Amino acid sequence: DAMVIQNPRYQVTQFGKPVTLSCSQTLNHNVMYWYQQKSSQAPKLLFHYYDKDFNNEADTPDNFQSRRPNTSFCFLDIRSPGLGDAAMYLCATSRDRGSEKLFFGSGTQLSVL
Amino acid sequence: KQEVTQIPAALSVPEGENLVLNCSFTDSAIYNLQWFRQDPGKGLTSLLLIQSSQREQTSGRLNASLDKSSGRSTLYIAASQPGDSATYLCAVRRVLTGGGNKLTFGTGTQLKVEL
Repeated sequence: DAMVIQNPRYQVTQFGKPVTLSCSQTLNHNVMYWYQQKSSQAPKLLFHYYDKDFNNEADTPDNFQSRRPNTSFCFLDIRSPGLGDAAMYLCATSRDRGSEKLFFGSGTQLSVL
Repeated sequence: KQEVTQIPAALSVPEGENLVLNCSFTDSAIYNLQWFRQDPGKGLTSLLLIQSSQREQTSGRLNASLDKSSGRSTLYIAASQPGDSATYLCAVRRVLTGGGNKLTFGTGTQLKVEL
Protein backbone atom coordinates (compact mmCIF):
# COMPACT_ATOMS: atom_id res chain seq x y z
CA ASP A 1 0.00 0.00 0.00
CA ALA A 2 1.24 3.44 -0.90
CA MET A 3 2.45 5.35 2.14
CA VAL A 4 2.99 8.74 0.51
CA ILE A 5 0.20 9.60 -1.89
CA GLN A 6 0.22 12.48 -4.34
CA ASN A 7 -2.76 13.76 -6.25
CA PRO A 8 -3.31 14.30 -9.03
CA ARG A 9 -0.83 12.20 -10.97
CA TYR A 10 -0.92 14.67 -13.87
CA GLN A 11 -2.01 18.28 -13.68
CA VAL A 12 -2.46 20.70 -16.55
CA THR A 13 -2.93 24.37 -15.81
CA GLN A 14 -2.93 27.62 -17.75
CA PHE A 15 -0.27 30.27 -17.56
CA GLY A 16 -1.01 32.41 -14.51
CA LYS A 17 -3.86 30.25 -13.16
CA PRO A 18 -3.33 29.19 -9.53
CA VAL A 19 -2.88 25.47 -8.94
CA THR A 20 -2.69 23.28 -5.84
CA LEU A 21 -0.97 19.93 -5.57
CA SER A 22 -1.66 17.64 -2.65
CA CYS A 23 0.27 15.08 -0.66
CA SER A 24 -0.87 12.77 2.11
CA GLN A 25 1.01 10.24 4.22
CA THR A 26 0.07 7.29 6.39
CA LEU A 27 3.47 7.04 8.09
CA ASN A 28 2.80 9.63 10.78
CA HIS A 29 6.15 11.22 9.95
CA ASN A 30 7.11 14.57 11.42
CA VAL A 31 8.74 16.00 8.30
CA MET A 32 7.20 16.59 4.87
CA TYR A 33 9.17 17.94 1.91
CA TRP A 34 8.35 19.34 -1.51
CA TYR A 35 10.86 18.90 -4.32
CA GLN A 36 10.79 20.20 -7.89
CA GLN A 37 12.40 18.03 -10.56
CA LYS A 38 12.80 19.22 -14.14
CA SER A 39 13.61 16.86 -16.95
CA SER A 40 17.00 15.13 -16.54
CA GLN A 41 17.82 17.26 -13.50
CA ALA A 42 18.30 16.48 -9.85
CA PRO A 43 15.35 17.06 -7.50
CA LYS A 44 15.54 20.51 -5.94
CA LEU A 45 14.19 21.15 -2.47
CA LEU A 46 11.58 23.93 -2.34
CA PHE A 47 10.67 23.79 1.36
CA HIS A 48 9.86 21.45 4.18
CA TYR A 49 7.70 21.27 7.30
CA TYR A 50 9.07 19.94 10.56
CA ASP A 51 5.77 19.33 12.32
CA LYS A 52 4.11 22.77 11.97
CA ASP A 53 7.38 24.61 11.51
CA PHE A 54 7.76 25.82 7.91
CA ASN A 55 11.28 25.99 6.43
CA ASN A 56 11.69 27.73 3.11
CA GLU A 57 14.79 27.34 0.92
CA ALA A 58 16.50 30.65 0.22
CA ASP A 59 16.15 30.34 -3.55
CA THR A 60 12.53 29.20 -3.68
CA PRO A 61 10.46 31.80 -5.59
CA ASP A 62 7.67 33.60 -3.74
CA ASN A 63 5.29 32.13 -6.30
CA PHE A 64 5.51 28.83 -4.39
CA GLN A 65 3.67 28.45 -1.09
CA SER A 66 2.83 25.52 1.13
CA ARG A 67 0.29 24.56 3.78
CA ARG A 68 0.25 21.72 6.26
CA PRO A 69 -3.15 21.67 8.01
CA ASN A 70 -2.38 18.47 9.92
CA THR A 71 0.25 15.73 10.21
CA SER A 72 -1.09 13.74 7.28
CA PHE A 73 -1.56 16.38 4.60
CA CYS A 74 0.64 18.92 2.89
CA PHE A 75 -0.23 21.16 -0.08
CA LEU A 76 1.89 22.96 -2.65
CA ASP A 77 0.30 26.14 -4.03
CA ILE A 78 1.67 27.80 -7.14
CA ARG A 79 0.08 31.23 -7.23
CA SER A 80 0.82 32.23 -10.82
CA PRO A 81 2.39 29.37 -12.76
CA GLY A 82 4.79 30.26 -15.52
CA LEU A 83 6.04 28.08 -18.35
CA GLY A 84 9.25 27.52 -16.40
CA ASP A 85 7.31 25.91 -13.55
CA ALA A 86 6.41 22.87 -15.65
CA ALA A 87 8.08 19.99 -13.83
CA MET A 88 7.57 16.90 -11.72
CA TYR A 89 6.70 17.83 -8.12
CA LEU A 90 7.72 15.28 -5.57
CA CYS A 91 6.50 15.02 -1.99
CA ALA A 92 8.61 13.16 0.55
CA THR A 93 8.45 12.39 4.25
CA SER A 94 10.88 11.38 6.97
CA ARG A 95 10.41 10.56 10.62
CA ASP A 96 12.94 13.21 11.62
CA ARG A 97 15.25 15.71 9.95
CA GLY A 98 18.54 14.12 10.78
CA SER A 99 19.65 10.68 9.78
CA GLU A 100 16.33 9.35 8.61
CA LYS A 101 15.46 7.74 5.31
CA LEU A 102 13.19 9.68 2.93
CA PHE A 103 10.01 8.15 1.51
CA PHE A 104 8.74 9.64 -1.75
CA GLY A 105 5.35 9.76 -3.41
CA SER A 106 4.87 9.00 -7.10
CA GLY A 107 4.94 12.66 -8.01
CA THR A 108 2.65 15.07 -9.84
CA GLN A 109 3.68 15.98 -13.38
CA LEU A 110 2.65 19.61 -13.94
CA SER A 111 2.18 21.06 -17.42
CA VAL A 112 1.63 24.78 -17.99
CA LEU A 113 -0.06 25.85 -21.22
CA LYS B 1 28.35 24.38 -1.16
CA GLN B 2 27.93 20.65 -1.59
CA GLU B 3 28.17 19.31 -5.14
CA VAL B 4 27.17 15.76 -6.00
CA THR B 5 28.34 14.19 -9.26
CA GLN B 6 27.34 10.89 -10.76
CA ILE B 7 29.32 9.17 -13.46
CA PRO B 8 28.45 7.87 -15.95
CA ALA B 9 25.31 9.82 -16.87
CA ALA B 10 24.04 6.83 -18.86
CA LEU B 11 24.99 3.18 -19.03
CA SER B 12 23.81 0.27 -21.15
CA VAL B 13 24.78 -3.30 -20.26
CA PRO B 14 23.73 -6.82 -21.27
CA GLU B 15 21.63 -8.83 -18.86
CA GLY B 16 23.60 -10.73 -16.23
CA GLU B 17 26.49 -8.30 -16.02
CA ASN B 18 27.74 -6.95 -12.69
CA LEU B 19 28.02 -3.18 -12.68
CA VAL B 20 29.13 -0.25 -10.56
CA LEU B 21 27.59 3.21 -10.40
CA ASN B 22 29.65 6.05 -8.97
CA CYS B 23 28.77 9.05 -6.84
CA SER B 24 31.19 11.70 -5.63
CA PHE B 25 30.62 14.67 -3.32
CA THR B 26 32.75 17.67 -2.45
CA ASP B 27 32.00 18.22 1.26
CA SER B 28 32.86 15.26 3.50
CA ALA B 29 30.91 16.62 6.50
CA ILE B 30 27.90 14.43 5.86
CA TYR B 31 25.29 12.68 8.01
CA ASN B 32 24.50 9.97 5.51
CA LEU B 33 24.20 9.04 1.85
CA GLN B 34 21.14 7.49 0.26
CA TRP B 35 20.73 5.71 -3.07
CA PHE B 36 17.40 5.97 -4.88
CA ARG B 37 15.84 4.43 -7.95
CA GLN B 38 13.54 6.43 -10.23
CA ASP B 39 11.48 4.88 -13.01
CA PRO B 40 10.44 7.15 -15.90
CA GLY B 41 7.77 9.64 -14.84
CA LYS B 42 7.64 8.26 -11.31
CA GLY B 43 8.77 9.18 -7.82
CA LEU B 44 11.89 7.98 -6.06
CA THR B 45 12.25 4.67 -4.27
CA SER B 46 14.86 4.42 -1.53
CA LEU B 47 17.29 1.55 -2.08
CA LEU B 48 19.99 1.90 0.57
CA LEU B 49 20.92 4.37 3.30
CA ILE B 50 24.50 4.51 4.64
CA GLN B 51 25.19 6.48 7.81
CA SER B 52 28.44 8.45 7.92
CA SER B 53 29.90 5.97 10.43
CA GLN B 54 29.24 2.99 8.15
CA ARG B 55 31.29 1.66 5.25
CA GLU B 56 28.65 -0.27 3.35
CA GLN B 57 25.08 -1.52 3.21
CA THR B 58 23.63 -4.49 1.35
CA SER B 59 20.17 -5.37 0.16
CA GLY B 60 19.72 -8.39 -2.08
CA ARG B 61 21.73 -7.89 -5.27
CA LEU B 62 22.63 -4.32 -4.27
CA ASN B 63 25.67 -3.23 -2.29
CA ALA B 64 26.51 0.38 -1.55
CA SER B 65 29.84 1.52 -0.14
CA LEU B 66 30.88 4.83 1.36
CA ASP B 67 34.35 6.37 1.62
CA LYS B 68 33.65 9.64 3.37
CA SER B 69 37.23 10.86 3.46
CA SER B 70 37.58 10.67 -0.32
CA GLY B 71 34.02 11.84 -0.98
CA ARG B 72 32.91 8.76 -2.88
CA SER B 73 30.18 6.14 -2.88
CA THR B 74 29.55 3.26 -5.22
CA LEU B 75 26.42 1.23 -5.89
CA TYR B 76 27.19 -2.31 -7.01
CA ILE B 77 24.45 -4.25 -8.82
CA ALA B 78 25.08 -7.97 -9.21
CA ALA B 79 23.67 -10.07 -12.03
CA SER B 80 21.75 -7.21 -13.62
CA GLN B 81 18.24 -7.80 -14.99
CA PRO B 82 16.07 -5.85 -17.45
CA GLY B 83 13.87 -4.87 -14.49
CA ASP B 84 16.84 -2.95 -13.06
CA SER B 85 16.53 -0.44 -15.91
CA ALA B 86 15.90 2.94 -14.28
CA THR B 87 17.68 6.11 -13.21
CA TYR B 88 19.74 5.74 -10.04
CA LEU B 89 20.30 8.85 -7.91
CA CYS B 90 22.50 9.34 -4.92
CA ALA B 91 21.74 11.99 -2.31
CA VAL B 92 24.00 13.30 0.41
CA ARG B 93 22.72 14.72 3.68
CA ARG B 94 25.27 17.20 4.90
CA VAL B 95 25.81 19.31 7.97
CA LEU B 96 25.20 23.04 7.56
CA THR B 97 27.29 25.73 9.23
CA GLY B 98 25.26 27.02 12.16
CA GLY B 99 23.26 23.84 12.53
CA GLY B 100 20.71 21.93 10.52
CA ASN B 101 21.32 19.74 7.54
CA LYS B 102 20.39 19.51 3.87
CA LEU B 103 19.91 16.75 1.30
CA THR B 104 21.63 17.32 -2.05
CA PHE B 105 20.93 15.06 -5.02
CA GLY B 106 23.11 14.08 -7.94
CA THR B 107 21.63 14.16 -11.44
CA GLY B 108 21.59 10.37 -11.68
CA THR B 109 22.85 7.54 -13.84
CA GLN B 110 20.36 6.24 -16.39
CA LEU B 111 20.78 2.47 -16.58
CA LYS B 112 19.48 0.23 -19.34
CA VAL B 113 19.85 -3.53 -19.03
CA GLU B 114 19.30 -5.27 -22.35
CA LEU B 115 18.19 -8.81 -23.05
